[in-house]
Amino acid sequence: DAGVIQSPRHEVTEMGQEVTLRCKPISGHNSLFWYRQTMMRGLELLIYFNNNVPIDDSGMPEDRFSAKMPNASFSTLKIQPSEPRDSAVYFCASSTGYEQYFGPGTRLTVT
Amino acid sequence: GQQVMQIPQYQHVQEGEDFTTYCNSSTTLSNIQWYKQRPGGHPVFLIQLVKSGEVKKQKRLTFQFGEAKKNSSLHITATQTTDVGTYFCAGPSSGGSNYKLTFGKGTLLTVNP
Repeated sequence: DAGVIQSPRHEVTEMGQEVTLRCKPISGHNSLFWYRQTMMRGLELLIYFNNNVPIDDSGMPEDRFSAKMPNASFSTLKIQPSEPRDSAVYFCASSTGYEQYFGPGTRLTVT
Repeated sequence: GQQVMQIPQYQHVQEGEDFTTYCNSSTTLSNIQWYKQRPGGHPVFLIQLVKSGEVKKQKRLTFQFGEAKKNSSLHITATQTTDVGTYFCAGPSSGGSNYKLTFGKGTLLTVNP
């Protein structure tokens, strides 16, 4: 199994640009999570899906952030417009139960 | 809201010394999980504890869940350089499903060879 796949691994963009992060969960996993990690705030849950349906998006910072899961094998996290304070590592994780499997993350830098 | 606190924030040890990190929740937890993140890597699941007072061992790692199910600890005996990383505890968020986790800020362990 390839594990959770995320792309891109690194993204550098200018303030105001749209950023799209992609995630392919482990096949057969029915829960998918998007996290953001920064030194200041640690690991924060942004949103999670169960069976492709968004269950809890209370962690999404503001309307500039949106997430979709059109099918069981693909999810996107979009930031539009991006701001320097969005710079962080964004992790996607998937699960069939309690244990969560994290992807390698996307390091986003907004200048 | 629910808080999960970890201490210490950082710990530097000499190789061979023991290490312990502590996790405290503001609410009673149905279970607690521990993850390890190597520098530049991603969190990797280590273990889940469910029962009050539970103790589990993985080689040199010993995990405990408190009797009140509000605290937990991870103890590493005779640390090695391969133990370097940040250790996180995580518990189900109050008011949410068991799948939604609240992570502590983690304890960064560095080991001097």
